Amino acid sequence: DAKTTQPPSMDCAEGRAANLPCNHSTISGNEYVYWYRQIHSQGPQYIIHGLKNNETNEMASLIITEDRKSSTLILPHATLRDTAVYYCIVWKDYGGSQGNLIFGKGTKLSVKP
Amino acid sequence: ETGVTQTPRHLVMGMTNKKSLKCEQHLGHNAMYWYKQSAKKPLELMFVYSLEERVENNSVPSRFSPECPNSSHLFLHLHTLQPEDSALYLCASSQGQRNTIYFGEGSWLTVV
Repeated sequence: DAKTTQPPSMDCAEGRAANLPCNHSTISGNEYVYWYRQIHSQGPQYIIHGLKNNETNEMASLIITEDRKSSTLILPHATLRDTAVYYCIVWKDYGGSQGNLIFGKGTKLSVKP
Repeated sequence: ETGVTQTPRHLVMGMTNKKSLKCEQHLGHNAMYWYKQSAKKPLELMFVYSLEERVENNSVPSRFSPECPNSSHLFLHLHTLQPEDSALYLCASSQGQRNTIYFGEGSWLTVV
């Protein structure tokens, strides 16, 4: 499975956009980029995923570079409740089997008032 | 509310006890998972069930015994645990093994 690199921590002012980067330079063509977050003492929460194109949903936007070697998760208007550890995961499609969803250390985002 | 419910949320057990963690998913999914999260460590996949059959067991000690009686329920039976087994145990589910995985809130286990 491709590995990902994320900064260990980031700060963001409340109400501003939070841009969380992720490098996945060894990603292969059939691997998706997934983002989850984990608020303290809770289970991971699915945010968004994508293959090549940029994606947007009610929670966030995912921007994937054209060469797919990096991506950015954007929370457009961060609130205090967005303080969490954010995980960028590259997930291989093994064609009939799942492969494992492997979590790294993620980025601890602190949203400050 | 994620659609995946775990009970109990907190459990304290002695090393000689036998207890079980329960997971129920209300999403109509057919694959279920147990993950373990120890302090300051990434999540570790323990077991995968697809269509009620175990398809993956990641070298988990036999003191952890999973059971999947149907596609909506998953148990983790615990016996003769060690203090280092204290962790957050997370249940998850997905529709098929190639789709997004949704997690429960977790069960905090303390072994004394």
